[in-house]
Amino acid sequence: ETGVTQTPRHLVMGMTNKKSLKCEQHLGHNAMYWYKQSAKKPLELMFVYSLEERVENNSVPSRFSPECPNSSHLFLHLHTLQPEDSALYLCASSQDLTGLNTEAFFGQGTRLTVV
Amino acid sequence: EDQVTQSPEALRLQEGESSSLNCSYTVSGLRGLFWYRQDPGKGPEFLFTLYSAGEEKEKERLKATLTKKESFLHITAPKPEDSATYLCAVQISGTYKYIFGTGTRLKVLA
Repeated sequence: ETGVTQTPRHLVMGMTNKKSLKCEQHLGHNAMYWYKQSAKKPLELMFVYSLEERVENNSVPSRFSPECPNSSHLFLHLHTLQPEDSALYLCASSQDLTGLNTEAFFGQGTRLTVV
Repeated sequence: EDQVTQSPEALRLQEGESSSLNCSYTVSGLRGLFWYRQDPGKGPEFLFTLYSAGEEKEKERLKATLTKKESFLHITAPKPEDSATYLCAVQISGTYKYIFGTGTRLKVLA
């Protein structure tokens, strides 16, 4: 596989469930990101990792918990979510965090529905 | 406040009818401006990066240009397969932060 792969593609969960989103990048990039995309809103940056260290936690509620075990994998652990958390969750990676090669390459996203 | 605004929100074109999409930005310092294409239910696909005013990039029927206040994505003789949402994003100087616009939904009719 190449690029950025996200699983699952679709997820329906109850408000009391615990689930995890997975992202894997095969590009050899050093930075990875989680974004939230809601209808009619710009992409919202949630978390940023550089070389497996978190560099940004963009005022995200604690019911979202990221994990980056190595430079190729990124997880988003979900628990006790609210219906308003329903959205498309996008993972992305870039060669660098700053500098010349910062264009982000996105996965296909996980469409999350909280019921 | 750093801000990115895209217009129009939606655009319908006949096949072959050229047009331009606009991305206006107000930021403390521009590191780079990025254009992405997003198809329904999919993640954004990277198109171009522009770094300085006067720069232009081309890819097939698309051409992106940059001034000190805005960027244009020109679409020449579009085809139905060009239908998508086009997103603009700005990276702030000295940071890794991107600010995205809300996108322009383009529909090209056969």
